Amino acid sequence: GNSVTQMEGPVTLSEEAFLTINCTYTATGYPSLFWYVQYPGEGLQLLLKATKADDKGSNKGFEATYRKETTSFHLEKGSVQVSDSAVYFCALADNYGQNFVFGPGTRLSVLP
Amino acid sequence: DSGVTQTPKHLITATGQRVTLRCSPRSGDLSVYWYQQSLDQGLQFLIQYYNGEERAKGNILERFSAQQFPDLHSELNLSSLELGDSALYFCASSVTGTVNSPLHFGNGTRLTVT
Repeated sequence: GNSVTQMEGPVTLSEEAFLTINCTYTATGYPSLFWYVQYPGEGLQLLLKATKADDKGSNKGFEATYRKETTSFHLEKGSVQVSDSAVYFCALADNYGQNFVFGPGTRLSVLP
Repeated sequence: DSGVTQTPKHLITATGQRVTLRCSPRSGDLSVYWYQQSLDQGLQFLIQYYNGEERAKGNILERFSAQQFPDLHSELNLSSLELGDSALYFCASSVTGTVNSPLHFGNGTRLTVT
């Protein structure tokens, strides 16, 4: 079945540091890929998405590129802020099933 | 604010009891999803409804059931509760219930079984 693997956290960075959170997936066909973010006490929010190979999703300074050859969708940000502290979930949705599959989440803490 | 409303926010109950969690989707969204989030299992998909009909089923226990009503709100019923059912239960909604329609999550119901 479909699955998503993320780097284990927690990840702790200083403000303005460069962020990478690795995500790889296993899926049949051509899934759509997503990053969701969960702030403390809240539900998940869509951060960005990519629906086909080589697409780049971007939002709020975050970027991720859909790499079919490496089955990856790594999340990057050039300069993190304290307000980026949250749990980040990589997810996929295939074109045959109707449900989304989420990775385990990676907790990011940004220190001032 | 995602527009998805879940009630109650917190629920504390004893083993063996039954509870009902409620979800109102965003205005215009036809599909509702239920997820369970626990520390050791991560975010697990339970079930999806589209316009009142069950569309997909995930790792939902037989003790759990759900439905989506004509006004599109949904309820998740958990019965014969066990300590291991303690978790955050999220509802999410989307317009079409397909991959082209991202999920919008509510803030969850935290269930504690004692």
